[in-house]
Amino acid sequence: DAKTTQPNSMESNEEEPVHLPCNHSTISGTDYIHWYRQLPSQGPEYVIHGLTSNVNNRMASLAIAEDRKSSTLILHRATLRDAAVYYCILSPSGTASKLTFGTGTRLQVTL
Amino acid sequence: GAVVSQHPSRVICKSGTSVKIECRSLDFQATTMFWYRQFPKKSLMLMATSNEGSKATYEQGVEKDKFLINHASLTLSTLTVTSAHPEDSSFYICSASLGRAIDTQYFGPGTRLTVL
Repeated sequence: DAKTTQPNSMESNEEEPVHLPCNHSTISGTDYIHWYRQLPSQGPEYVIHGLTSNVNNRMASLAIAEDRKSSTLILHRATLRDAAVYYCILSPSGTASKLTFGTGTRLQVTL
Repeated sequence: GAVVSQHPSRVICKSGTSVKIECRSLDFQATTMFWYRQFPKKSLMLMATSNEGSKATYEQGVEKDKFLINHASLTLSTLTVTSAHPEDSSFYICSASLGRAIDTQYFGPGTRLTVL
């Protein structure tokens, strides 16, 4: 499986934008980039996914580099409820693909 | 969004007993369900992939006779930890997939197992 690299932790002030980076230099052409997050003592939650183009949804935006070797999850206005571990995961297209979780980025949001 | 539940949310058992954890997709039919284990301060580790009506596929190093998985219907999968020992104490999380070409996994809230 292609590997992703994320910073261990990041901090943000509430109401400010947060850019969470992910490097995936060995990504293959069929790999989708998925982002999940896990709040404390809960199961992970889907955030967003993309292949080549930038993506937006109600939770976040995903900016994908032109060479697809990196991506950035953007939370436009961080709130205290966004404090979580954010996982960037590559998964080939196809039904029921396995997700391999790395260590993720622990995001702290302060007032 | 799709909702996945787990029961129980928390269980404490004695060493040597068996514990069953249920995972249900509440508002969709899940072709595939996954079982993960997470130790404190660690990431999720996939234990097995379960397809409705067929045997589960276990990840390397996961004992299939110890962690019995049954996926009898499109909305229910169960994980039974047999002859539990203290080292089996962990956070067990299931997820369910709709089985579409570009899959999102919907995760349950997790079950905290403590073996005394």
